Amino acid sequence: EAAVTQSPRNKVAVTGGKVTLSCNQTNNHNNMYWYRQDTGHGLRLIHYSYGAGSTEKGDIPDGYKASRPSQENFSLILELATPSQTSVYFCASGDVWGAYEQYFGPGTRLTVL
Amino acid sequence: QQKVQQSPESLIVPEGAMTSLNCTFSDSASQYFAWYRQHSGKAPKALMSIFSNGEKEEGRFTIHLNKASLHFSLHIRDSQPSDSALYLCAVRRSAGNKLTFGIGTRVLVRP
Repeated sequence: EAAVTQSPRNKVAVTGGKVTLSCNQTNNHNNMYWYRQDTGHGLRLIHYSYGAGSTEKGDIPDGYKASRPSQENFSLILELATPSQTSVYFCASGDVWGAYEQYFGPGTRLTVL
Repeated sequence: QQKVQQSPESLIVPEGAMTSLNCTFSDSASQYFAWYRQHSGKAPKALMSIFSNGEKEEGRFTIHLNKASLHFSLHIRDSQPSDSALYLCAVRRSAGNKLTFGIGTRVLVRP
């Protein structure tokens, strides 16, 4: 079965600090995605990637950067964390053709104080 | 931009009853329609999907799509307490391999 892992699972950061969330997938999927999930907003797309070396802005990219150094790894970077970025972050991977199903990691709960 | 809305926001159903969830979308060119289920504290997981108008049944779950009405639904027959979860509908955008998710319907199945 598809496997997506995320680290850390929980993170407490200070305002203005730098935070890096990591994601690894063993599905050999080309596409990877970063979402945040907040009550009342559902899953919102932050950044996505179509393959190693590529990153694209999603619907809410402000305050976030992304990095895709390899097929397996996709990172989300908060250079200057703010309390409004307190949320649960999910990484997902998906295939390019056929079924458009996305496979999600277990999530990272980030609290910015 | 694609808009996806779900109803109801939440519902409580007795064990053994039918659960019906609704999703509307705004882009008539959309091609893939799916339901994801998310148990509390867990990751969303795809439940089932449909590409063309009509109905698709898998076990206790049925998905129904009407593109002309910009609407699709999920029906759960003989609902079980283990079906208690947040249900998210998702629609593939007409450009690119991206999904737009609804906010979700929280379902509680009471024994």
